[in-house]
Formats: sequence, C-alpha cells, structure tokens
Amino acid sequence: DIVMTQTPLSSPVTLGQPASISCRSSQSLVHSDGNTYLSWFQQRPGQPPRLLIYKISNRFSGVPDRFSGSGAGTDFTLKISRVEAEDVGVYYCMQATQFPRTFGQGTKVEIK
Amino acid sequence: EVQLVESGGGLVQPGGSLRLSCAASGFTFSSYWMSWVRQAPGKGLEWVANINQDGSEKYYVDSMKGRFTISRDNAENSLYLQVNSLRAEDTAVYYCARERGGRGAVAGTFDYWGQGTLVTVSS
Repeated sequence: DIVMTQTPLSSPVTLGQPASISCRSSQSLVHSDGNTYLSWFQQRPGQPPRLLIYKISNRFSGVPDRFSGSGAGTDFTLKISRVEAEDVGVYYCMQATQFPRTFGQGTKVEIK
Repeated sequence: EVQLVESGGGLVQPGGSLRLSCAASGFTFSSYWMSWVRQAPGKGLEWVANINQDGSEKYYVDSMKGRFTISRDNAENSLYLQVNSLRAEDTAVYYCARERGGRGAVAGTFDYWGQGTLVTVSS
C-alpha cells in the first residue's frame, strides 16, 4: 500500500497568517492515465470530512480561494493563505492512484 | 442538495454482526460509485470498500475482505455495509461517501460524505 506521510502533525497558527501542510507519498502518484489523484480533506471538530482539493490543485465547489494545492510526483502541499477561525480542524491528504486508496495521518490546525 | 444519512451503528459484542445503511438523496444515486470509509476514535481515515453503479463491481481493503459485504438498492437510493465477525479494532465511525471521477477502486475522490454511524465492539 502507498504510505502517505503528513508534516507537521500539529500546526498552531495566528489568525490571518498563512499555514502550510506537506504530504509525501511512498511512491509516485502519477497514474498511467497521466493524472495525479491526490486530494485534500478538512475535518472540523465533530464533523465528517469535507473535500477541499482534488487532483493536486483543483478546488472543489464552494471552497474558499484561500485554500490552494500544489505539488507533483511524491510531494504535495496544501496552503491556507490567511487562516480564519473556521479553518480549525484536521486536514488529510489522500491518494487514489493505486489500490487501496490511502490517507495521511492528519494535520491538526489550531489557532495560537 | 446532496445528502447522505447513515444508520445502523451501535454496541455489539465481539464476533457479532451489524448492517449499516446509508440513505442518499439530492442526486441520481444510481449514477455513482459509492464507498464506505471508517475512522476509529481519535484516529485517521481508512477506506473500507466501494461498489459500482449497478452493484456488479465491488472492492474491499484486504483486511476486511470476507467479513464485510457492501451492497446497494438503487430503487431505495440506499447503500449498505454488512459487517460480520466484529472485533474490537472495528470500533469506528463508518461514513458513506459519494465518489467523483473514480474508475473501479482507483482514481477519483470523495466529494460528499454523510455524518457517519458509530460502531462500538465491546463485551
């Protein structure tokens, strides 16, 4: 199985400041069809996960543009340009390039 | 509005069984692959199984193959997960999720999730 490793595991951030989460995969996530199936999810406290980004950098419907994704191959990043109070929660990356789909261990974003 | 509502969780003894359900609305259920994803208390996410639009293709994570069975009823807009021979380590919130852009058990992502149903395995 592809192992997804996120860093940091915890990220205290000041409101209005940027935050960045890294996700590294144990193998390249480039699929034979040329796409890279790397997604990011947000899980607010007590809530189910919510899709933010798919295929590295595509923002899902309704997701604020302060969220952006980037990367290639085995290294990926989720950035929040200016953290707001509603962004508190745990963020997960997920690969769907290879069976089975696997998730990172999660990064907790909290306000300093 | 897409809605997914899980039910059927509860407290069950080791070795017991449960049937989890997910009622879908707000979209054409029969047009989508669907998945189950679980989350142990305080832990991360783990994909469990998925099923294609007409129920003829199913995939499972290896550790649950043989104990878990995914199924669907398109007439009832419902997804199911039969969980047998339950162990303490199966204790988790089980989410149903709609797939977007997937092909079989790879590709795509999960664009909508239900609120989840808690399964607790304990004597």
